[in-house]
Amino acid sequence: QVQLQESGPGLVKPSETLSLTCSVSGFSIRIGYYWGWIRQPPGGGLEWIGSMFRSGSTHYNPSLKSRVSISLDTSKNQFSLQLKSVTAADTAVYYCARVVMSAAASEVSYYFDNGGQGTLVTVSS
Amino acid sequence: QSVLTQPPSVSAAPGQKVTISCSGSSSNIGNNDVSWYQQFPGTAPKLLIYDSNKRPSGIPDRFSGSKSGTSATLAITGLQTGDEADYYCGTWDSSLNGGGVFGTGTKVTVL
Repeated sequence: QVQLQESGPGLVKPSETLSLTCSVSGFSIRIGYYWGWIRQPPGGGLEWIGSMFRSGSTHYNPSLKSRVSISLDTSKNQFSLQLKSVTAADTAVYYCARVVMSAAASEVSYYFDNGGQGTLVTVSS
Repeated sequence: QSVLTQPPSVSAAPGQKVTISCSGSSSNIGNNDVSWYQQFPGTAPKLLIYDSNKRPSGIPDRFSGSKSGTSATLAITGLQTGDEADYYCGTWDSSLNGGGVFGTGTKVTVL
């Protein structure tokens, strides 16, 4: 059974870079699937951040694209999120997840089938 | 800002049925599959429905999904107190600046 666990600093200063790692157990990230990130501000709804396939193919939220990057480390069975130049608006619970993405006759299926428990990141000086 | 619109809240008595709507457009729901997630306070979202109407293993058949045109619906029958949670729809937006998108979220209250 696949399990995911986020880790990283819980406090980041404004203008600095937020870095989180997701450790995956019970499943190799080399075997298909996309791997992605979602966030949720306190009291708010879910926001898609982006996802990456083992081939290097990535999709990012257009509103974050200039600041975000996702990378995979298959040797450690981990993947990471970096978000640059953070502000208080980036304060949120960040979730990592395994992503299913497929397309048939131009109809895309995209969903998160397993995720971590989430980690709160606060942006404050 | 979410591109998928859901009612902020729905409620019903135990044993009754509730439906949650998710309204989008031709670039997302109209041409792509929909997923639904259940989230209890302080916990991670959990996949309830994928490919618009399929349930992952372990999800009771009290939960069902459907899609018509640019809208999708999650139905919960035989409502239980343990179903009180937030529910989100999600899909892929195929527009030029698209990507993964979520709905605004709906709070289900069991009266």
